[in-house]
Amino acid sequence: GESVGLHLPTLSVQEGDNSIINCAYSNSASDYFIWYKQESGKGPQFIIDIRSNMDKRQGQRVTVLLNKTVKHLSLQIAATQPGDSAVYFCADQAAGNKLTFGGGTRVLVKP
Amino acid sequence: DAGVIQSPRHEVTEMGQEVTLRCKPISGHNSLFWYRQTMMRGLELLIYFNNNVPIDDSGMPEDRFSAKMPNASFSTLKIQPSEPRDSAVYFCASSFRTAQETQYFGPGTRLLVL
Repeated sequence: GESVGLHLPTLSVQEGDNSIINCAYSNSASDYFIWYKQESGKGPQFIIDIRSNMDKRQGQRVTVLLNKTVKHLSLQIAATQPGDSAVYFCADQAAGNKLTFGGGTRVLVKP
Repeated sequence: DAGVIQSPRHEVTEMGQEVTLRCKPISGHNSLFWYRQTMMRGLELLIYFNNNVPIDDSGMPEDRFSAKMPNASFSTLKIQPSEPRDSAVYFCASSFRTAQETQYFGPGTRLLVL
């Protein structure tokens, strides 16, 4: 992922709506991608991952889409709930290299 | 499963003091990672162990930082002497076999160096 330093993008979403969080990565050799959720005062929590031989993977209420052509990753959350409020990080990794985290996106769910 | 365990959860110390952070990875996991999180730099990998052996320590800031993994169930990250710029949240994570698998994070240690 690409770090954005101090500025943390924020996505405000109405409860029940779908959320889409976007992430760009820079390493064209990356072949493993992962999304983490971090709630206040807690460590990052695994949500879903995808390898480069796939372009879509679904979990429970979440879908990750991978576009290797433009080096773009997205996380879709269906029927967003108040418990989804958190900071979401994407991370990418090339074989033999360390996981590189993006700067994160804050999701605020409005009741 | 208890997950990754870190201690202490909070540490406040004075500049120049030694700080030791502790981590117990998930049982059966062979890889262990230490990360630092700050607002300015986000999440940064400090060091990565596999089968108790340091594999990549390129993220360790300087000689003041050292990490050890004496056995499969315990690791320490030591800062000596500590400086105010070391204030951050330090996370330990573990994965089953290698670095290219899901990493499970502990709750973190929030360090404040005055």
